[in-house]
Amino acid sequence: SQTIHQWPATLVQPVGSPLSLECTVEGTSNPNLYWYRQAAGRGLQLLFYSVGIGQISSEVPQNLSASRPQDRQFILSSKKLLLSDSGFYLCAWSARARAKNIQYFGAGTRLSVL
Amino acid sequence: GQNIDQPTEMTATEGAIVQINCTYQTSGFNGLFWYQQHAGEAPTFLSYNVLDGLEEKGRFSSFLSRSKGYSYLLLKELQMKDSASYLCAVRDRNTDKLIFGTGTRLQVFP
Repeated sequence: SQTIHQWPATLVQPVGSPLSLECTVEGTSNPNLYWYRQAAGRGLQLLFYSVGIGQISSEVPQNLSASRPQDRQFILSSKKLLLSDSGFYLCAWSARARAKNIQYFGAGTRLSVL
Repeated sequence: GQNIDQPTEMTATEGAIVQINCTYQTSGFNGLFWYQQHAGEAPTFLSYNVLDGLEEKGRFSSFLSRSKGYSYLLLKELQMKDSASYLCAVRDRNTDKLIFGTGTRLQVFP
């Protein structure tokens, strides 16, 4: 069966510090990978998605970036965090070439920027 | 443009039935999803509709009317553990991306 791992679960970082969140998927090949942010009282906002190694599409211009160095690894980064980067970050995957293309989410990282 | 509307909060009693509505506008529709999200946790997939009609899965059912841009999630025999947020999401046919609503927070009381 497929599983998705995301870490860390919680993170407290000062403004201006760097960020690296990691997500890995097991039990599948060539997944579509996604990073979302969920701010309090708002819907899930798609930040980045990837259909393959090195292929990243950015949805929202901001100081975050994403990379996919391996087929089942997706990393969210920032060089300098802003207060507004606080939120609940979720990684998700879906199987390529499936009609339903259901997205399955990792456990999430709660980021507090102080 | 794309827009998804669902009520912000709902309350219900244990053992009752509750219906959570979702209306959407999208330039190209290719499926509607319902997810359940407990506080502080990740969303988990509940149901998928792409054709008009009712999909039943145990205590949960989901209905879709594409002509009306409308869906609902029906929860029967409510249990305390059903207290959670329920997210409606529409897949855009042109981009294949999911557009999420802000979610409906359901509180089940004994």
